[in-house]
Amino acid sequence: AQKVTQAQTEISVVEKEDVTLDCVYETRDTTYYLFWYKQPPSGELVFLIRRNSFDEQNEISGRYSWNFQKSTSSFNFTITASQVVDSAVYFCALWPRNQGGKLIFGQGTELSVKP
Amino acid sequence: GAGVSQTPSNKVTEKGKYVELRCDPISGHTALYWYRQSLGQGPEFLIYFQGTGAADDSGLPNDRFFAVRPEGSVSTLKIQRTERGDSAVYLCASSLVRDTDTQYFGPGTRLTVL
Repeated sequence: AQKVTQAQTEISVVEKEDVTLDCVYETRDTTYYLFWYKQPPSGELVFLIRRNSFDEQNEISGRYSWNFQKSTSSFNFTITASQVVDSAVYFCALWPRNQGGKLIFGQGTELSVKP
Repeated sequence: GAGVSQTPSNKVTEKGKYVELRCDPISGHTALYWYRQSLGQGPEFLIYFQGTGAADDSGLPNDRFFAVRPEGSVSTLKIQRTERGDSAVYLCASSLVRDTDTQYFGPGTRLTVL
């Protein structure tokens, strides 16, 4: 089965706190890609990051960092020093190479950052 | 440059009516995708075009749904005999060349079937 699980439905933090969004995936494909998208209240899905299954290096981009661990099939996303503008729904997605163009999304985690 | 655009942004229709949703991909992107997002859920794949042809339509829920991309650019998603269960946000995405390129999404069309 190809599946993405985001167990946290909602998270609420106070500004400047660090927050980690969890993502666990299932696939039998050996080649796949993982993504994170942000969906602010405006509704448009904004691309954040893409990783392929052969690259387990963690990545940092400003306040954002991603931890990819194949051993636990997880691709977690951390926001450091959160800001109110980070409030959005965040989606983790899986793209198994043998699935053509089909992205498989998790249910999303709604992050609320309060001032 | 301009991103993916979708029209209309909102569409309200009555049960049984026919609707068309339009997607204009990023200029130069040859791959185009349609997804459907129900309230509180992640997007679900509907169909994928490579150029003018549908490379994968396995996500279309039934034969009331149909999509075209006649000139390899703009795409139209067509829904016949709409049902209340079709109410959702319909998202379009495009990618540069291959199905391995990153998909960039448009703002979506919110369809409400009364």
